[in-house]
Amino acid sequence: KQEVTQIPAALSVPEGENLVLNCSFTDSAIYNLQWFRQDPGKGLTSLLLIQSSQREQTSGRLNASLDKSSGRSTLYIAASQPGDSATYLCAVQYNDMRFGAGTRLTVKP
Amino acid sequence: NAGVTQTPKFRILKIGQSMTLQCTQDMNHNYMYWYRQDPGMGLKLIYYSVGAGITDKGEVPNGYNVSRSTTEDFPLRLELAAPSQTSVYFCASTDPDRAPNTEAFFGQGTRLTVV
Repeated sequence: KQEVTQIPAALSVPEGENLVLNCSFTDSAIYNLQWFRQDPGKGLTSLLLIQSSQREQTSGRLNASLDKSSGRSTLYIAASQPGDSATYLCAVQYNDMRFGAGTRLTVKP
Repeated sequence: NAGVTQTPKFRILKIGQSMTLQCTQDMNHNYMYWYRQDPGMGLKLIYYSVGAGITDKGEVPNGYNVSRSTTEDFPLRLELAAPSQTSVYFCASTDPDRAPNTEAFFGQGTRLTVV
């Protein structure tokens, strides 16, 4: 059974901190892994996509890594800002596409 | 470029009524998905399709049906609506066989309330 787990479920940090969000998956035969951001009551915004053959992707203050053999991905956010407050979701692509339950991030001014 | 379009955006149904949520994409993606998201929860896969004429059950298919007669459209049918189907529904499309252009795109969501 393909399961996707995100740790922690919630995280509260002061502004300026660097932080790491974790995503693990049980079946390593993936096409790719994608990180999304979701604001309350809104849709999904794509942040980063990592192909199965890649190790990491970077966009601005965000860096996502992928270790397919161990079934893990991390999303690193540098110098966090209050505007980063949202729920972060990882999605693992097989023929279907499975989501973790998300990490709810709060960045305090 | 419209991407993934879902209609309607909002709907209130009475218990026992039926309805179809529409989803269409203009990116010629083979893979399409339907999810539901309950308050404070992640996305649960209802049904998915890897191409026209092919559909498969996801994690929570009971009470729903789908069809995929064209590449562009993937409607979700609710028969005999129940309060437990109150949720936000998202449609998505992608094509993981087109690396590196394999990003998944999502519709804006349909907020459904069953009363």
